[in-house]
Amino acid sequence: QVQLVESGGGVIQPGRSLRLSCAASGFTFSSYGMHWVRQTPGKGLEWVAVIWYDGSNNKYADSVKGRFTISRDSSKNTLFLQMNSLRAEDTAVYYCARDRTNWFLDAWGRGTLVTVSS
Amino acid sequence: QSVLTQPPSVSAAPGQKVTISCSGRSSNIGNNYVSWYQQVPGTAPKLLIYDNNKRPSGIPDRFSGSKSGTSATLGITRLQTGDEADYYCGTWDDSLSAVVFGGGTKLTVL
Repeated sequence: QVQLVESGGGVIQPGRSLRLSCAASGFTFSSYGMHWVRQTPGKGLEWVAVIWYDGSNNKYADSVKGRFTISRDSSKNTLFLQMNSLRAEDTAVYYCARDRTNWFLDAWGRGTLVTVSS
Repeated sequence: QSVLTQPPSVSAAPGQKVTISCSGRSSNIGNNYVSWYQQVPGTAPKLLIYDNNKRPSGIPDRFSGSKSGTSATLGITRLQTGDEADYYCGTWDDSLSAVVFGGGTKLTVL
């Protein structure tokens, strides 16, 4: 079955960097676009970024543009999110999710919590 | 402030029906398909409806979706206590070149 497992979260000081990973299994990873979506505790979903199935293109939310980079290693079935210049407002649970045609997300990981605090 | 507008909360009794609205604009709902997600607190979101009105396998037909112009609606019939959750609508926004979500609606089954 489709499985997505995020890792790499933790407590990090403002201004520092962190890299999240999402290990995919149960499907042909190289055939699907992938997203990162975050959720501040007690708040709603906020889309962060998407990468095309072949890594040829990506898009970012304005709130993270220029600071976050989405990438993938299809040889390792892994999605990444490099987060630089972290801010307190980046504190959230970060989910990776699989993209399907027409921009719906049909499989989600359990998330990894990132806390940006001094 | 979310790009898509949903009511913060709705409630109904078990066995009843409820609808949740999602309002947008021409650049998002008006020109793209809408999806809906259910999130039980403490768990990951789960796809309920895609392409406006299609249900993934395993989602009961008590859940339905529709779209008209720049608005979409999620309907849930024969409410159960297990339906208590937060519900989000989502779509692509052509102007923002981004996926956008509604602010979420908390469903309480009284």
